[in-house]
Amino acid sequence: GDSVTQMEGPVTLSEEAFLTINCTYTATGYPSLFWYVQYPGEGLQLLLKATKADDKGSNKGFEATYRKETTSFHLEKGSVQVSDSAVYFCALVRENQKVTFGTGTKLQVIP
Amino acid sequence: EAGVAQSPRYKIIEKRQSVAFWCNPISGHATLYWYQQILGQGPKLLIQFQNNGVVDDSQLPKDRFSAERLKGVDSTLKIQPAKLEDSAVYLCASSARTGASYKLFFGSGTQLSVL
Repeated sequence: GDSVTQMEGPVTLSEEAFLTINCTYTATGYPSLFWYVQYPGEGLQLLLKATKADDKGSNKGFEATYRKETTSFHLEKGSVQVSDSAVYFCALVRENQKVTFGTGTKLQVIP
Repeated sequence: EAGVAQSPRYKIIEKRQSVAFWCNPISGHATLYWYQQILGQGPKLLIQFQNNGVVDDSQLPKDRFSAERLKGVDSTLKIQPAKLEDSAVYLCASSARTGASYKLFFGSGTQLSVL
């Protein structure tokens, strides 16, 4: 079956540091890949997505590239801010919209 | 536009009691989902509705959990009787369309503590 593996957190970074959160997946076929973010006290919301191999999703300075050869969808940001502190979920989505989430990675950015 | 509404925000019950959660999706969204998010884990799908029909309930513990979406709009998830391991956040989500490229809109969730 489908599975998503994320790096364990928490990840603690200083403001303006470079961020990478690793995500790898196991799946057959060609699923879509998403990153969702959950800010404290709020529901999950879509951060970015990629629907086919080599696509790059981007939003709010975050980027992730769908790499089929390494089955990865790593999240990156060049310069994090305190407001980026949240839990980040990598997710694999099928055509029937069945979503498999990773366990989440908590990011804490300190001033 | 208004988001996905859930209530209550928090609920504390004792084991073997029953509890119900309510969700009102974004207007016009045909697809509705209930997820269970245990602390430290990613959300796990319990049930997916398309209008008022069930699309996927393969991970719903049917001996104690039930869900309905009678008019194809709002939905109720019930647990009866609750167990300690049901302590989790219950998330409702909706989507305008099915398909791998369409995002889900999530509510803020109901945090359930079973004592």
